[in-house]
Amino acid sequence: GIQVEQSPPDLILQEGANSTLRCNFSDSVNNLQWFHQNPWGQLINLFYIPSGTKQNGRLSATTVATERYSLLYISSSQTTDSGVYFCAVFPSSGAGSYQLTFGKGTKLSVIP
Amino acid sequence: DADVTQTPRNRITKTGKRIMLECSQTKGHDRMYWYRQDPGLGLRLIYYSFDVKDINKGEISDGYSVSRQAQAKFSLSLESAIPNQTALYFCATSDFGRTSGRGRDTQYFGPGTRLTVL
Repeated sequence: GIQVEQSPPDLILQEGANSTLRCNFSDSVNNLQWFHQNPWGQLINLFYIPSGTKQNGRLSATTVATERYSLLYISSSQTTDSGVYFCAVFPSSGAGSYQLTFGKGTKLSVIP
Repeated sequence: DADVTQTPRNRITKTGKRIMLECSQTKGHDRMYWYRQDPGLGLRLIYYSFDVKDINKGEISDGYSVSRQAQAKFSLSLESAIPNQTALYFCATSDFGRTSGRGRDTQYFGPGTRLTVL
């Protein structure tokens, strides 16, 4: 099945710093989503972004489908940004095309 | 998301016991999913259902069963729990983008159920 790799696995930032999280995937996709899991375990959908660029406040995401990667940008980080960020994809074809496959996540810690 | 609820939120049980985790949603979505999360790993799909009569196995369905009692309810059962089923379990819903306008199968997660099998 499709492989989803996220980097870096861990990231520590000073409050106010910017960061870029990366998601690489091994096959073509027709659906890519970014999620934030807060320290209490709640999963929140950040972006649906199979291609192109979207922005939501201090967060933005870009997916270059032809090159099989997506980037999540966090600007002016805040302590509330801490948690784990997951990338997840639906493959364009094959037996797993109705199954959202998750990467292992990037654990972000923002320190005051 | 408060529109997707899971019960119980925490459960400790013993090996061999039958356990049912329940999920309810008020979002009006037709698609529902069960995932498990293990420490250091992403989420893995156990089962998914596109409507009441359509249930499909996911990546790790062995040892689990599901029931879609209604459009709004999707239950996960562990017929005979074992310790390696200790994990955080999530229910999710999606609507193929018809109502949210956010894109196909944007997933909305419940708060999770922390299950410990001793």
